[in-house]
Amino acid sequence: QKEVEQDPGPLSVPEGAIVSLNCTYSNSAFQYFMWYRQYSRKGPELLMYTYSSGNKEDGRFTAQVDKSSKYISLFIRDSQPSDSATYLCAMSAPGKTGANNLFFGTGTRLTVIP
Amino acid sequence: NAGVTQTPKFQVLKTGQSMTLQCAQDMNHEYMSWYRQDPGMGLRLIHYSVGAGITDQGEVPNGYNVSRSTTEDFPLRLLSAAPSQTSVYFCASSRGTSGRDEQFFGPGTRLTVL
Repeated sequence: QKEVEQDPGPLSVPEGAIVSLNCTYSNSAFQYFMWYRQYSRKGPELLMYTYSSGNKEDGRFTAQVDKSSKYISLFIRDSQPSDSATYLCAMSAPGKTGANNLFFGTGTRLTVIP
Repeated sequence: NAGVTQTPKFQVLKTGQSMTLQCAQDMNHEYMSWYRQDPGMGLRLIHYSVGAGITDQGEVPNGYNVSRSTTEDFPLRLLSAAPSQTSVYFCASSRGTSGRDEQFFGPGTRLTVL
C-alpha cells in the first residue's frame, strides 16, 4: 500500500464549477502537506502548503488538512480552463539525515471545459 | 536566474548502456533531489543531497548513483540502463531541508531504454 493515495481521475468539469481534489495518507510522521500543479510536459510547481490541521486560502484555492482522519483536500472555486493540469498532493517527513523528503500522490488530471 | 536546469531533454538508450543526467541550479540551494515519474506511480524519490559531499538514498535508488561535488550540480548516473528505467526524471532543489522550504523542479528529462 502506498503511503499517499490519490484518485487519478481524470476529472472533467465545466468552467465556473467548484473542484474538489483529495488525498489520504497512512504515515503519522508527515508534517507538511502540499499541493503541486503540473502542466503537460512540464515540471511540478508548488501551489500551496499547510502545516497544521485546518484550512488555508489563497485566491480561488483552499487547502484543507484533517490530521485525525489523515485526509487532505484542495478546492478550486470558479474553475478556469487555465486550471487544466495534473494536481499532485505531496507530504513531507524527516529522513535519516533529518532532511524533509517529499512523498507524492499519483496525481489527478483535471480538465476544465470552456 | 535560470532556476533548475536539466540536460538532456530527451534520451534514448539501449539496454546496458550508461549515461549521466545533468542537473544544475543557480539559487545557491542546499537541498537537491532526483525523482522519477511513472504513470500510476506518481513522483518517487531516487536520491537526495543536503549539501556538497552529502548524499543519501530515497525510495527507489537501485541502478542509480549520485554525487555532489559542488552546491550547484547534482548529476544522476545510470550505471547499466534497463527498460524498467524508462521514465521521466525530474531534478528539484530547495533553499533548506525544512518541510516548509519550497522545492523548485526542473523541466524534466524523458528517458527511453530499449
